[in-house]
Amino acid sequence: EPEVTQTPSHQVTQMGQEVILRCVPISNHLYFYWYRQILGQKVEFLVSFYNNEISEKSEIFDDQFSVERPDGSNFTLKIRSTKLEDSAMYFCASSSTTNTEAFFGQGTRLTVV
Amino acid sequence: GENVEQHPSTLSVQEGDSAVIKCTYSDSASNYFPWYKQELGKGPQLIIDIRSNVGEKKDQRIAVTLNKTAKHFSLHITETQPEDSAVYFCAASSNQAGTALIFGKGTTLSVSS
Repeated sequence: EPEVTQTPSHQVTQMGQEVILRCVPISNHLYFYWYRQILGQKVEFLVSFYNNEISEKSEIFDDQFSVERPDGSNFTLKIRSTKLEDSAMYFCASSSTTNTEAFFGQGTRLTVV
Repeated sequence: GENVEQHPSTLSVQEGDSAVIKCTYSDSASNYFPWYKQELGKGPQLIIDIRSNVGEKKDQRIAVTLNKTAKHFSLHITETQPEDSAVYFCAASSNQAGTALIFGKGTTLSVSS
């Protein structure tokens, strides 16, 4: 069964450093998303991406965040100058068309120290 | 923007009992309502979804009902089993390209044998 894969599973970084979280969406999907989940809280939308551009972003997705599809398979989330409050699980998701099921990856646990 | 409220936050049932989780949403433009199950350390997994053109959908022991007038939808799990123990999230989305899923805060379901 096709699945969304994310690497690394766990990333520890020092405050102020840049991190790149990587995702390989399901191959025939066209919409890509990043969500985050602070420990014990709900899943929060960050950004959606379609046709090589951002289609929607939340208030959380400020100038320290960026997304990119550097090639035909990867989808990345870059966080510049990480803060302690960026510590969370980051989930990548993809869907074939809008308003259909979004499939989530296993997540990357980001710990900022 | 959309706001999704979910109740209860925790639910404990005996094996074989039924479990019901309820969600309300605020944006009348929302028309897609998925339910996700999240096991410890894993990403959310879609278990069932419903669109606004139907009032009820069943898949074996799981059913979802939708009342668009009242803006609420519910997840029903019958004949619960210990492996149903997890965190369940409801979500809502509108029918726009790349639109975010807005999640509820989650319900921790514990099924004891």
